[in-house]
Amino acid sequence: DAGVIQSPRHEVTEMGQEVTLRCKPISGHNSLFWYRQTMMRGLELLIYFNNNVPIDDSGMPEDRFSAKMPNASFSTLKIQPSEPRDSAVYFCASSPGQGASSGKQYFGPGTRLTVT
Amino acid sequence: GDSVTQMEGPVTLSEEAFLTINCTYTATGYPSLFWYVQYPGEGLQLLLKATKADDKGSNKGFEATYRKETTSFHLEKGSVQVSDSAVYFCALTSGSRLTFGEGTQLTVNP
Repeated sequence: DAGVIQSPRHEVTEMGQEVTLRCKPISGHNSLFWYRQTMMRGLELLIYFNNNVPIDDSGMPEDRFSAKMPNASFSTLKIQPSEPRDSAVYFCASSPGQGASSGKQYFGPGTRLTVT
Repeated sequence: GDSVTQMEGPVTLSEEAFLTINCTYTATGYPSLFWYVQYPGEGLQLLLKATKADDKGSNKGFEATYRKETTSFHLEKGSVQVSDSAVYFCALTSGSRLTFGEGTQLTVNP
C-alpha cells in the first residue's frame, strides 16, 4: 500500500500566484480531509469530502481557497491568489470510514508551502 | 464548540524516564478520543484510541485511559526511548470532524 500521496512536497511561490496542491488518497478510502498546520494555529481542518462530495468546508479560510475531488482517487486544494500568511504545511488525509467518526485517518507526508 | 487542551511543551526527558502528557477535553455528547504522533518531516499517525468511558487504548508501550469524570485522556509510557521523540496530538471526534489539541513536542535524550 503506497499510502496517501501528496505533491509537490515543497512549493515556493510569490504572492499573488496561484498554487495547486494535489492528493491521492488510499485506494478504497471514501473520506478525504485537507488540513493546514502552522506554529501559530496548530492543525486546522480545512475541508472534508465523503464519496467525493464536500461535506464540511467551514474551515476554508476564505474565497481564495477552493478544493475539488473529481473522482475517488484525486483531490486538489487551490489557493488563488496566494498570500504570505498562507505559508504552512498542508496535509491530506484519507479514511475508510464516514467522516471522522472512526478516528483513524491516514495522513500524507504534507506539502510545505512558502509564499514570499 | 468541542476543544482539546494539551499540556504545554516542549517536554525533554532522558531515555527510560516515565512520560505523561496531559490532555483534557470539552465536548457535547460522548466523543471518541485519540492520540496521534507526528515524527519529524512526516504526517500524523494514529497511536491509540478509546471510544467510551473507562476504555484504555494502548500501542507501542503507550497507554491512555478515557476518564469521563475528569474529561481527560492522559498519555503515559513507562520507559521512553530516543525513537519516541516526536510531536504528540490529542484529538476527539464528534460527528464528522476530528478536533486536535495544539500538540506537545517530546524530545528524549540518550
